[in-house]
Amino acid sequence: GAVVSQHPSRVICKSGTSVKIECRSLDFQATTMFWYRQFPKQSLMLMATSNEGSKATYEQGVEKDKFLINHASLTLSTLTVTSAHPEDSSFYICSASRGSGYTFGSGTRLTVV
Amino acid sequence: KQEVTQIPAALSVPEGENLVLNCSFTDSAIYNLQWFRQDPGKGLTSLLLIQSSQREQTSGRLNASLDKSSGRSTLYIAASQPGDSATYLCAASNFGNEKLTFGTGTRLTIIP
Repeated sequence: GAVVSQHPSRVICKSGTSVKIECRSLDFQATTMFWYRQFPKQSLMLMATSNEGSKATYEQGVEKDKFLINHASLTLSTLTVTSAHPEDSSFYICSASRGSGYTFGSGTRLTVV
Repeated sequence: KQEVTQIPAALSVPEGENLVLNCSFTDSAIYNLQWFRQDPGKGLTSLLLIQSSQREQTSGRLNASLDKSSGRSTLYIAASQPGDSATYLCAASNFGNEKLTFGTGTRLTIIP
């Protein structure tokens, strides 16, 4: 079955530093990947749509200069949280679409201290 | 704009009971509707996907239905087990738009 691998699963960083999260489709090619964030006890909110070889499309209210998305190949998309602050602490999840639905990564718990 | 709602937000039932989780959506022009399970601090596991042309899907003890005219989907869980305890999320995608719109989730607790 379709597998999406997301790393790291947990990361703690100091305020002001940048953090990169990777999302890989292991057994299929994903021309489109999606990045979500989830606050405690809340649902998933779409941040951006990542398209291979082109610029990402960001949802309203999401700062594209703060959340840099790169989709350089058909199997890898990365999300970089730049100059992270405590309010960026959250659970970030990626997903890739296939004809039969969507497959999600295992998520990354980011804590900014 | 599609909006997805799940009621109740939390549900506790004794082990062995059958139960139904509800999902409502505002835009009936959906492409598909998917049910997911999320364990605490984990990613999402896909449970069932219902295409727009389908009315239900079944997998083991799970059965999901779709009624586009009323804007509703239900997830039926038979003979519940403690291992079924998790948060269940439904999500809809619309024609011409790959984005998934998630519901608010139902946190299910099965009491042994």
